[in-house]
Amino acid sequence: DAGITQSPRYKITETGRQVTLMCHQTWSHSYMFWYRQDLGHGLRLIYYSAAADITDKGEVPDGYVVSRSKTENFPLTLESATRSQTSVYFCASSEVRADQPQHFGDGTRLSIL
Amino acid sequence: QKEVEQDPGPLSVPEGAIVSLNCTYSNSAFQYFMWYRQYSRKGPELLMYTYSSGNKEDGRFTAQVDKSSKYISLFIRDSQPSDSATYLCAMTLWQFYFGTGTSLTVIP
Repeated sequence: DAGITQSPRYKITETGRQVTLMCHQTWSHSYMFWYRQDLGHGLRLIYYSAAADITDKGEVPDGYVVSRSKTENFPLTLESATRSQTSVYFCASSEVRADQPQHFGDGTRLSIL
Repeated sequence: QKEVEQDPGPLSVPEGAIVSLNCTYSNSAFQYFMWYRQYSRKGPELLMYTYSSGNKEDGRFTAQVDKSSKYISLFIRDSQPSDSATYLCAMTLWQFYFGTGTSLTVIP
């Protein structure tokens, strides 16, 4: 039962670089989500997807791009990384509806120097 | 005003104590209420999931929802060192609204 797998678990990069965080789920859940978690802010939604080829913005989408060509994969790309994007990023999925319980991966800890 | 308010703690209790974790919310339309547990360097994992007002029990954990007061609680009985984690409340309308989490340490 692999669930949700995020890669890499840790990443260090420099400002201005492009970086892609990967998320893969084995449940065939319809909905997938990307969050960032920062001290004092908790979990903030970046983007979500209701199905393959359907994505929408969350609370903090600026500077991020997503795609979902296959149900099981939902990569998150920082097109030109900034220091303010240093954070822990979590991918999550829910089975059929966006308000059903979400199941999380173990996160990617991203540092931008 | 934030949609969901949660005291960040930290909360430190001796082993065997009863722990009470709480969240308040402002939107009376919230439908589903959840508690997640998050260990250090791990993702949140679902602990409890309720729809209506009242209590739901699962082993040592009890989730309580009071919609009239817009207040939810998680009680942990006979707390164990393995309960040391951050606890996040969450509630939903068409999307999730998370609390910022309460850090709990159970001291052996």
